[in-house]
Amino acid sequence: GAVVSQHPSWVICKSGTSVKIECRSLDFQATTMFWYRQFPKQSLMLMATSNEGSKATYEQGVEKDKFLINHASLTLSTLTVTSAHPEDSSFYICSAYGQGLDGYTFGSGTRLTVV
Amino acid sequence: DAKTTQPTSMDCAEGRAANLPCNHSTISGNEYVYWYRQIHSQGPQYIIHGLKNNETNEMASLIITEDRKSSTLILPHATLRDTAVYYCIVTNYGGATNKLIFGTGTLLAVQP
Repeated sequence: GAVVSQHPSWVICKSGTSVKIECRSLDFQATTMFWYRQFPKQSLMLMATSNEGSKATYEQGVEKDKFLINHASLTLSTLTVTSAHPEDSSFYICSAYGQGLDGYTFGSGTRLTVV
Repeated sequence: DAKTTQPTSMDCAEGRAANLPCNHSTISGNEYVYWYRQIHSQGPQYIIHGLKNNETNEMASLIITEDRKSSTLILPHATLRDTAVYYCIVTNYGGATNKLIFGTGTLLAVQP
């Protein structure tokens, strides 16, 4: 079946630094990728939608200058958390849409801890 | 996208069928019902989806009422590994405009 590889699975960074999270679709072309954030004991919250070769569309309340999304190819999308602060600590998950698949395919998630 | 309502939590005995209900009374004619589950600290996993007919695959069955205002996900023989949060989502499928918006889901606890 379709696989989305997400890296790293966990990362600890110092406050003020930037962190990049990658999502790759391994066996299909992902024309659209979605990025979610999930706080403990809460549901997934959609942050942004990215289309290959276009600027990402951010959900209301999500700072586009803080969460930089790049979708430069049909198999790779990245989320960069810039100048991370402890309140950015969360579980970040990507999801990809590929034509002909049964559903959206999710990555395994990245646990970000900012200290 | 139509909103869904699910019970917060359910218990099920191992080996028995787990029936998870979902209400989606505002669903529109071209919206599908999708089910995903999330095991702790993992990404969501696709289970099944349907438009109006009942569907079955190797993981589960999906029963959609005739008026499409509600549905039930059935795990025929629940195992401990089925303990997870189950999300019922209503959306058109495919493309940037058709986002998956997650509600609070149902925490299914399978008991030994």
